[in-house]
Amino acid sequence: SVLLYQKPNRDICQSGTSLKIQCVADSQVVSMFWYQQFQEQSLMLMATANEGSEATYESGFTKDKFPISRPNLTFSTLTVNNARPGDSSIYFCSSGDFRYFGPGTRLTVL
Amino acid sequence: GEKVEQHESTLSVREGDSAVINCTYTDTASSYFPWYKQEAGKSLHFVIDIRSNVDRKQSQRLIVLLDKKAKRFSLHITATQPEDSAIYFCAASPNNYAQGLTFGLGTRVSVFP
Repeated sequence: SVLLYQKPNRDICQSGTSLKIQCVADSQVVSMFWYQQFQEQSLMLMATANEGSEATYESGFTKDKFPISRPNLTFSTLTVNNARPGDSSIYFCSSGDFRYFGPGTRLTVL
Repeated sequence: GEKVEQHESTLSVREGDSAVINCTYTDTASSYFPWYKQEAGKSLHFVIDIRSNVDRKQSQRLIVLLDKKAKRFSLHITATQPEDSAIYFCAASPNNYAQGLTFGLGTRVSVFP
């Protein structure tokens, strides 16, 4: 099994600022995905984080807005640039075998 | 791209009865269908999955059925207990680990005594 940790658990930021969300796995994970969940709604796949290369983004998500880094097989960072109230949601990382999700980072943009 | 429709938005069942959640998908390339449970304020917890090479899988009180022809899969929670109350999500993927999941909208299951 894999344990995924996310930092921070929650954050509140002002519109226009940027923030970073970290995902750390306790063992190597070949693929890692990032999802966005609005309150009590479904999860939307944002991107696939690839080790040592650019992330692959889904429609509606761009690398300028949500740059993702994956320097090694246990770590990934999602950045939310120029945060807007519409970005207020929960962000989850997950393992590539679809079994494990991080605890989520709840973001509120004022 | 893939679309997953989860047909029941809410389900209310009496303790001990079965709950059934139905999902349909559109992409014939999808071959992996997991289910997740999400309790209030928590992350997703994997509960069971099924791959396209089988049409039925059981894990304790959970049964998943897959009808590839109809592009439909379902989760059966048998002998429900109060702790089964949560939101359940179905999802689909081509199962090549390079593509993530497409989720249904979720079903809120409430088990009452």
